[in-house]
Amino acid sequence: NAGVTQTPKFQVLKTGQSMTLQCAQDMNHEYMSWYRQDPGMGLRLIHYSVGAGITDQGEVPNGYNVSRSTTEDFPLRLLSAAPSQTSVYFCASSYHRISGANVLTFGAGSRLTVL
Amino acid sequence: DAKTTQPTSMDCAEGRAANLPCNHSTISGNEYVYWYRQIHSQGPQYIIHGLKNNETNEMASLIITEDRKSSTLILPHATLRDTAVYYCIVTQGGSEKLVFGKGTKLTVNP
Repeated sequence: NAGVTQTPKFQVLKTGQSMTLQCAQDMNHEYMSWYRQDPGMGLRLIHYSVGAGITDQGEVPNGYNVSRSTTEDFPLRLLSAAPSQTSVYFCASSYHRISGANVLTFGAGSRLTVL
Repeated sequence: DAKTTQPTSMDCAEGRAANLPCNHSTISGNEYVYWYRQIHSQGPQYIIHGLKNNETNEMASLIITEDRKSSTLILPHATLRDTAVYYCIVTQGGSEKLVFGKGTKLTVNP
């Protein structure tokens, strides 16, 4: 049981380049999400999904695209990277309970630097 | 979701109990209190959650006041590995959207 797996762990991009951060979970969780964390700050929600084919925006969605074609995978795409997107990115997943508590499992993070 | 207030930093001696407070005075009836921690730059780790009653698991205890306006996370016997940033988060039942503040930086000293 691997939990939430993020790749790559580290990436350096030049301004304007595109790339995809991968996130996969093997817990059959319906809910998946992406957060970013800037130095000295808490995490901020970028995009989330409550199931295959369903995505929605979080607090800071600009500059990022997502899709959810399978339950297991939730990739985050940067179409034209900017220095402001230098951050650590965390993927998280959970069961989707419409009431009650939902506990998130986080990945280890992907550290992105945009020059 | 209700806003939370936590101290910026705390220290604790190894082997002693660490008591981390959190104020959430605007909490509503269907909102849960969650605690997560982040060790160094790792992904956040779930610790415990509660609605009204006190809760205990293998990692910690959560004490929620009767009026639910504040809570305390208790690590009964802190170790050096408990040094981390601890986040208190309040969110509605059925919601997975966690709003992270800056948390409390707990340092466990030998």
